[in-house]
Amino acid sequence: NAGVTQTPKFQVLKTGQSMTLQCAQDMNHNSMYWYRQDPGMGLRLIYYSASEGTTDKGEVPNGYNVSRLNKREFSLRLESAAPSQTSVYFCASSVGSGRYEFFGPGTRLTVL
Amino acid sequence: EDKVVQSPLSLVVHEGDTVTLNCSYEVTNFRSLLWYKQEKKAPTFLFMLTSSGIEKKSGRLSSILDKKELFSILNITATQTGDSAVYLCAPGTNRDDKIIFGKGTRLHILP
Repeated sequence: NAGVTQTPKFQVLKTGQSMTLQCAQDMNHNSMYWYRQDPGMGLRLIYYSASEGTTDKGEVPNGYNVSRLNKREFSLRLESAAPSQTSVYFCASSVGSGRYEFFGPGTRLTVL
Repeated sequence: EDKVVQSPLSLVVHEGDTVTLNCSYEVTNFRSLLWYKQEKKAPTFLFMLTSSGIEKKSGRLSSILDKKELFSILNITATQTGDSAVYLCAPGTNRDDKIIFGKGTRLHILP
């Protein structure tokens, strides 16, 4: 089992460009999450999906959109990247309902 | 509003010392308290606590939850340089599928 996979590992964008971060899990988990991690700020939830076909906003959703394509895949889209979105992005999955989460390896995104 | 506070924010000790990391929380519909270790990459799961007073142990690491006083501690005995990491505490709830992460305690072990 690969667990949670994320692509790409690194990305550099110019302000205003768009991109999609991909995440997939092979553990048959119901819930999936996108976090960003900035120095001194800890992990902040951007969006989550409790099941296929549902998505909900987290703490910092502005500037992002998500798609839960199927049970395995949960993508995060930046429509018009801004320097404030420079961060490390983690995808995670869990069985749900406060159970522990498995994390992907992260994507380091720099917006110039 | 849900709140998680970890203390200390950072800690430097010598190899062989014992450390205690603290996590206090205020969340509605509490279900579980999770501890993670984060080295240079993604967080890795350490413990999930759901019952008060029952210690969970894994090698030199142990953790306990107090649901009345709304806190948890993570103990590491006989610390080693490989224990250097950020330790994250995260309560989960029954009302939705989110867990809320604290800002973490950055632990540095000197050889």
